[in-house]
Amino acid sequence: GAVVSQHPSWVICKSGTSVKIECRSLDFQATTMFWYRQFPKQSLMLMATSNEGSKATYEQGVEKDKFLINHASLTLSTLTVTSAHPEDSSFYICSARARGRQETQYFGPGTRLLVL
Amino acid sequence: AQSVTQLDSQVPVFEEAPVELRCNYSSSVSVYLFWYVQYPNQGLQLLLKYLSGSTLVKSINGFEAEFNKSQTSFHLRKPSVHISDTAEYFCAVSRGGSNYKLTFGKGTLLTVNP
Repeated sequence: GAVVSQHPSWVICKSGTSVKIECRSLDFQATTMFWYRQFPKQSLMLMATSNEGSKATYEQGVEKDKFLINHASLTLSTLTVTSAHPEDSSFYICSARARGRQETQYFGPGTRLLVL
Repeated sequence: AQSVTQLDSQVPVFEEAPVELRCNYSSSVSVYLFWYVQYPNQGLQLLLKYLSGSTLVKSINGFEAEFNKSQTSFHLRKPSVHISDTAEYFCAVSRGGSNYKLTFGKGTLLTVNP
């Protein structure tokens, strides 16, 4: 149980284009989803927290107009990197917190983004 | 604010040897503690967690960790490692509250050599 999927697993795009990443909780309802960014050989940095049906809360230094987060249902959150640039290339990981097990986050497999 | 320190960035060991990955945290309130494992190019998998109760927690694949409040530590141990245990291990802490935000350590790369 507590499986989280991400799609796509990797994406290559041209500079200036927008990329959407989906995060789904497959066997539970996710009241809260989190989006992280991980640079090579580094730890995870929390970008934003999203609760179903409400606006995401962004961490300090994260541009909310560049990283659009939508949490439209209890099983789906999306992260859209708008007007991507090479410095946005990274490994993006989502996690989800289940109703009734709110102390634990379950992570997706990650999406590797390469912006050329 | 809370923080997590993983004292070793890399730990090389031989197969079947014991291993300890160290984790210390700082927090002014009670916390929940986690160890996650990340295999190359994959997301994080929950290895074990301490929420309350017994201070010794175990995973299904032989790892265990002990919560030591006085030393503010949550070290991860395994008495005999396998090649397949090679991975990055992250210690994380969160506190109660509406968001349960996780604060991660920088990770420890465990490399098990034959």
